[in-house]
Amino acid sequence: DAGVTQSPTHLIKTRGQQVTLRCSPKSGHDTVSWYQQALGQGPQFIFQYYEEEERQRGNFPDRFSGHQFPNYSSELNVNALLLGDSALYLCASSLVFRVPSYNEQFFGPGTRLTVL
Amino acid sequence: GENVEQHPSTLSVQEGDSAVIKCTYSDSASNYFPWYKQELGKRPQLIIDIRSNVGEKKDQRIAVTLNKTAKHFSLHITETQPEDSAVYFCAAPRPGDTGRRALTFGSGTRLQVQP
Repeated sequence: DAGVTQSPTHLIKTRGQQVTLRCSPKSGHDTVSWYQQALGQGPQFIFQYYEEEERQRGNFPDRFSGHQFPNYSSELNVNALLLGDSALYLCASSLVFRVPSYNEQFFGPGTRLTVL
Repeated sequence: GENVEQHPSTLSVQEGDSAVIKCTYSDSASNYFPWYKQELGKRPQLIIDIRSNVGEKKDQRIAVTLNKTAKHFSLHITETQPEDSAVYFCAAPRPGDTGRRALTFGSGTRLQVQP
């Protein structure tokens, strides 16, 4: 049973460029959430996708956008990169069980983005 | 939105001692409180969670307690071992979360277990 996978592992970009990060959820999961983790801080929620739509969004500008595909995989796009966008980007997947709701969230290994 | 505060930011204990990390939350409707362990360069991993219908949950050397009235929950690690050294994060659901685990995280506690 494959866990959450992300690609690429590392990425170096320059200011103003655009980047796309990819995530495949754990087998059987239908919900993907994206988090940004700056060095020494806790993960910050970016947005969440299920049924191919953005369902919740954190306090991030619209330079951050995403997509979910019919196979539940997801992409995170960041436009007009800033130095402050340098961080570990984590994808997490989950699945709602109706009753009881034992729905844990599992994280991928992350993509380390460096903006120069 | 939900605000989760965590302390201490760093904690150093001797091997075999106990460690306690505390978190407070602001949204009284929150009903799920996970704890994640993150080793250096690795992904956060769920180590234990508690739902608001219970006050305490144990799993071997790890336990979590929840005080809904005071809106705080704590992680307790007994008989600490060097491999417990990591950063620990508490979390709570974001307002409006439908059980799909959109979480607000605390700022983390760096635990060091001295041999």
